[in-house]
Amino acid sequence: KAGVTQTPRYLIKTRGQQVTLSCSPISGHRSVSWYQQTPGQGLQFLFEYFSETQRNKGNFPGRFSGRQFSNSRSEMNVSTLELGDSALYLCASSEGSDTQYFGPGTRLTVL
Amino acid sequence: AQSVAQPEDQVNVAEGNPLTVKCTYSVSGNPYLFWYVQYPNRGLQFLLKYITGDNLVKGSYGFEAEFNKSQTSFHLKKPSALVSDSALYFCAVRARSGGYNKLIFGAGTRLAVHP
Repeated sequence: KAGVTQTPRYLIKTRGQQVTLSCSPISGHRSVSWYQQTPGQGLQFLFEYFSETQRNKGNFPGRFSGRQFSNSRSEMNVSTLELGDSALYLCASSEGSDTQYFGPGTRLTVL
Repeated sequence: AQSVAQPEDQVNVAEGNPLTVKCTYSVSGNPYLFWYVQYPNRGLQFLLKYITGDNLVKGSYGFEAEFNKSQTSFHLKKPSALVSDSALYFCAVRARSGGYNKLIFGAGTRLAVHP
């Protein structure tokens, strides 16, 4: 099976802009979770989607949002970008509540 | 609240020697525990997990981990380190109920294996 794919791999945006990141899970996986990785805060859980419903959410402001489509693909959106949003955004998929398999990440740089 | 501690920022080991990367956790009830490895400019790669059963869990690339409930620890081990094992290692915990797929990660331990 193909692994988790994320697009784009790299993004450069300026403050105030918005960005959409995409994640395609492993075939058959219905759960998609998003994490933010920064040198200062480490790996932090953003949210999880299962069968198109958000079933868990981390402690991030409302500027961070996501959705999941009927084919389990997921997108996350960050509006009104801030310098502190620069990070590696990781997507992970799993079959229900089981091992999460991670994609390569999207490196977002906010200037 | 759930938390994971990886007390060492970096572990240095000579190639061929055994390695241990430490992890302790705090969670209500019985945990699901995981180890992941991250190579430069890559995502996280799953190594092994503890769900239930035998306290010694074997995983990918010769790694294993020992679950110790009384010490709330889940240390990662390998009998003989390789230079190619040099990477960033993360321990993670997930609550059995209500947490769904929310993983709480430790800060990571950088493993450096010297020839």
